[in-house]
Amino acid sequence: RKEVEQDPGPFNVPEGATVAFNCTYSNSASQSFFWYRQDCRKEPKLLMSVYSSGNEDGRFTAQLNRASQYISLLIRDSKLSDSATYLCVVISPYNFNKFYFGSGTKLNVKP
Amino acid sequence: EAQVTQNPRYLITVTGKKLTVTCSQNMNHEYMSWYRQDPGLGLRQIYYSMNVEVTDKGDVPEGYKVSRKEKRNFPLILESPSPNQTSLYFCASSDRLAGVNGNEQFFGPGTRLTVL
Repeated sequence: RKEVEQDPGPFNVPEGATVAFNCTYSNSASQSFFWYRQDCRKEPKLLMSVYSSGNEDGRFTAQLNRASQYISLLIRDSKLSDSATYLCVVISPYNFNKFYFGSGTKLNVKP
Repeated sequence: EAQVTQNPRYLITVTGKKLTVTCSQNMNHEYMSWYRQDPGLGLRQIYYSMNVEVTDKGDVPEGYKVSRKEKRNFPLILESPSPNQTSLYFCASSDRLAGVNGNEQFFGPGTRLTVL
């Protein structure tokens, strides 16, 4: 079973829409989670960390649901510039140097 | 400018011809890592290094070697490349224990490798 799984999409939404992605992880002992953004086969860049209490950064909100073992990313008021692939990342609970990336969820924001 | 650089950016080679992809960072980071990215599989960790002369295997180390003789450099070596190593490769660096401290991993621009 994969450590991290994501719906590949694509999610096609109009500008201004609210969209949410989920990412499930297999190891219930996992403690550290992140969302990265990747534009068209360029390098991934950190979007935000995911804290137990949830966190918000402008239009972006990340949440953790430990009971169901998933993290979510909510994007409000989508912009054209939000079009990208969003990668979920989980750190191994046994080795903090090992990172597991999901295969990504593609978002297309259309005018 | 803080950055991670990789060379070459694109490489087409033939099976069995040894190659090295270089990775260098100017942020004095202890931690460096190599990933490969394939369609539908996401990024998979090949090797990582916690500091100079300290390296360890990731999830897909077969067919690769690394070395960490200097803090800033972390080359990826393919001794005998095969077609199944055709992929997009990323090098990354971060502060030590980035995973537990929530520190960002900074990625290089990627190296697109094709092995014929």
